[in-house]
Amino acid sequence: DAGVTQSPTHLIKTRGQQVTLRCSPKSGHDTVSWYQQALGQGPQFIFQYYEEEERQRGNFPDRFSGHQFPNYSSELNVNALLLGDSALYLCASSTLRGVNTEAFFGQGTRLTVV
Amino acid sequence: AQSVTQLGSHVSVSEGALVLLRCNYSSSVPPYLFWYVQYPNQGLQLLLKYTSAATLVKGINGFEAEFKKSETSFHLTKPSAHMSDAAEYFCAVSDQTSYDKVIFGPGTSLSVIP
Repeated sequence: DAGVTQSPTHLIKTRGQQVTLRCSPKSGHDTVSWYQQALGQGPQFIFQYYEEEERQRGNFPDRFSGHQFPNYSSELNVNALLLGDSALYLCASSTLRGVNTEAFFGQGTRLTVV
Repeated sequence: AQSVTQLGSHVSVSEGALVLLRCNYSSSVPPYLFWYVQYPNQGLQLLLKYTSAATLVKGINGFEAEFKKSETSFHLTKPSAHMSDAAEYFCAVSDQTSYDKVIFGPGTSLSVIP
């Protein structure tokens, strides 16, 4: 089992550009959540996708959008990048089926905006 | 609304000494509580979780935590610190209805002194 995989591991973008981050969930999981972790802080919930729809959203602007594909993988898109978007972006997968199933996290994508 | 506070952003202990990392939560509904560990440049790994079963929860790597409803606390302990325990530790809470949005605390950086 490969667990949760994210790509790329690192990337550098220029202010104003757009970026797409990718996540493949753990086998058997159907729900993907995205978190932003700024340096020295705890992760902040961005949004969650289930059945290809955004199910919950945190306090992030519309510049942050996402998508979930039929195979449960997900993308996080950020438009009009700001310097403050520099952070580690974490993907977590889980399932809403059954009970007591915790989220598994990927290694993250380190985004640097210059 | 749910929230988590972690007392002490940095904690230093000697190798072999007791580790105590403090966590207090606020939740209007019965919570699920978690402790995650993050090593440098890596994602989050679940140490242990409380899901309304036993109040004393045992996790991996010798860690355990006790849920105290009267104190709204979920402190993490380990009897004897090892050098490999040096990392960032996050306490987190989620809604008991499902493992939905996970709210993280700001984290505590643990240093282990030889």
